[in-house]
Amino acid sequence: AQSVAQPEDQVNVAEGNPLTVKCTYSVSGNPYLFWYVQYPNRGLQFLLKYITGDNLVKGSYGFEAEFNKSQTSFHLKKPSALVSDSALYFCAVRGQNRDDKIIFGKGTRLHILP
Amino acid sequence: DTGVSQNPRHKITKRGQNVTFRCDPISEHNRLYWYRQTLGQGPEFLTYFQNEAQLEKSRLLSDRFSAERPKGSFSTLEIQRTEQGDSAMYLCASSLGGIGAYEQYFGPGTRLTVT
Repeated sequence: AQSVAQPEDQVNVAEGNPLTVKCTYSVSGNPYLFWYVQYPNRGLQFLLKYITGDNLVKGSYGFEAEFNKSQTSFHLKKPSALVSDSALYFCAVRGQNRDDKIIFGKGTRLHILP
Repeated sequence: DTGVSQNPRHKITKRGQNVTFRCDPISEHNRLYWYRQTLGQGPEFLTYFQNEAQLEKSRLLSDRFSAERPKGSFSTLEIQRTEQGDSAMYLCASSLGGIGAYEQYFGPGTRLTVT
């Protein structure tokens, strides 16, 4: 069975500092991995995804994520945080079988402190 | 706007009543998902369709919940005999389907309040 874990309910980072939001996963075979962001009173927005190849994936708004197969992790990163990055972030995974569905983590609230 | 749309955006109903929500996906997307989200939690999978076929339904979903996608385009989610525990945001998402890392596009959601 597929599963996603986001071990931190909340992450606080000072503006201008690098940020990391953690995600680990479990899936049979190779994974497809995703990050989504949800701003208050808004729908989920796609940030980036990992398919194959380069372990460092770049996405929207300056975010990137690093895939680590041995640690089954897909941590979200940004070199310099902005106050406007404050939001709820969700990691998601699906297997590569045709009928596999996307499973979401419970989310991590990111607070960027001015 | 060619995104995913959901109607209504808000629904307040009394316990025991039936409600129906509608989702219109992005037109070229053959896969459609329904999720439920409560405050501070991630989207909880309910069910999904590949074209008009319902491929999977969550074991957490009681028999009071039913979903259809009759022509492989829009979908409806019906909740019969609503309970206060059904109060949540109901999200619809669509994507291309099959083999491939296709991201989902989400609608704005329908917020259900059961009084």
